[in-house]
Order: sequence, then structure tokens, then C-alpha cells
Amino acid sequence: QKEVEQDPGPLSVPEGAIVSLNCTYSNSAFQYFMWYRQYSRKGPELLMYTYSSGNKEDGRFTAQVDKSSKYISLFIRDSQPSDSATYLCAMSFNSGNTPLVFGKGTRLSVIA
Amino acid sequence: SQTIHQWPATLVQPVGSPLSLECTVEGTSNPNLYWYRQAAGRGLQLLFYSVGIGQISSEVPQNLSASRPQDRQFILSSKKLLLSDSGFYLCAWSGLAQGYQETQYFGPGTRLLVL
Repeated sequence: QKEVEQDPGPLSVPEGAIVSLNCTYSNSAFQYFMWYRQYSRKGPELLMYTYSSGNKEDGRFTAQVDKSSKYISLFIRDSQPSDSATYLCAMSFNSGNTPLVFGKGTRLSVIA
Repeated sequence: SQTIHQWPATLVQPVGSPLSLECTVEGTSNPNLYWYRQAAGRGLQLLFYSVGIGQISSEVPQNLSASRPQDRQFILSSKKLLLSDSGFYLCAWSGLAQGYQETQYFGPGTRLLVL
């Protein structure tokens, strides 16, 4: 079993849809969880950073962590064509200032 | 604010040639620095990370090496490139910085094609 599993997609949705992106993991010691967005031929940019279980909202984006199920989600409300990118989940045992374990990324296309 | 630079942006090299990719960070001191490779369909692979000058940890045995000659400079090298070294190379930094989370921030990347 891989340490972090993420459906690669591609996921295609119409503009304005609610998008749900997910990752599962096997090691219950992970404490810090991140979501990165990567546009084609660019470096990943940090979208959301959360610690332990719970929800965190930032504009149209909501990150959710369920440690009991070893499951994290990123929700995008009112999706826009500019949200079309690959979304990578990442997690670590200690603070984020240590090597991260990444999912392989989900490719999202939002169609106008 | 913190800025991370990588160069070159794109590189085409013949098999067996040497390689040197450079990464520099501005606006922070004592960052942790990381080199990743991203191959198509294979996700991000951590190659090296460094917690200080001259301190390098290797995650994957291969024909690549890394050096950190200065606090905010990280160099990825190879003496002889292989076809399998083709990919998108990303440098990242992490550390304590006002306005930033204590996690990794990535540079723009270098696209390497070995022919």
C-alpha cells in the first residue's frame, strides 16, 4: 500500500461546479496536511495548510482533515476555468519544515 | 518577501554530458532547501534536502549529487547524464519567515531533456 493515495483524474467539471479532491493515507502519525496547486510547466504553489483534524476555509477553498479515517479533502466552490490545474496533497509527521510526502496529484479541468 | 530562483528554465543535454542546476533563495536566512524531480505521471520525488551549509541528505541513490556552498544556494549536479534523468526539477525552501507557513515553497522549476 502506498503511503499517500490520490486519484490522478483527469477530473472535468463545468464552470460554477463544486469540486471535491481527496487523498487517503496509511500512516496515522501524519499531523500536518497541505494542498498545492500546480499549473502546467510551473512549480507547485501552496494553497492550504492545516494541522491535525478539522476544517479550514480560505475564500472558495475549504480543506478538511479526518484523521480517524485517514482522509483529507479539498473543496472548491464556484469553480472557475482558472482553477484548471493539478492539485497535489502533501503531509508530514512534524511541522512542515521537514520532508513532505506527496500524492501524485489530480488533474482538474474546469470547462467554461 | 521570500523569492526562490532556479536556472536555467529549460535545458537540453546529450546523454553522458555533465549537469549543473542552480537554486537561490532571497529574503530568508537558514532555510531548509530541497531538490525534487517530477516525471510525467510519477509525482514528486524528493532527491536531496539540506538543513545547512555543507549538510546534504540523499533520498534516492542515483548519479546525481547536491551541494550547498552558501546558506541560500543549492546546486544539483551530475557528471554523466542518463536518459532517465529527464524531468522537471524543482527546488523548494522551508523555514521560519513572517507571513509564511512552516512548510515548503517551490521555485519555478527547470525542465531537463536528455537526448
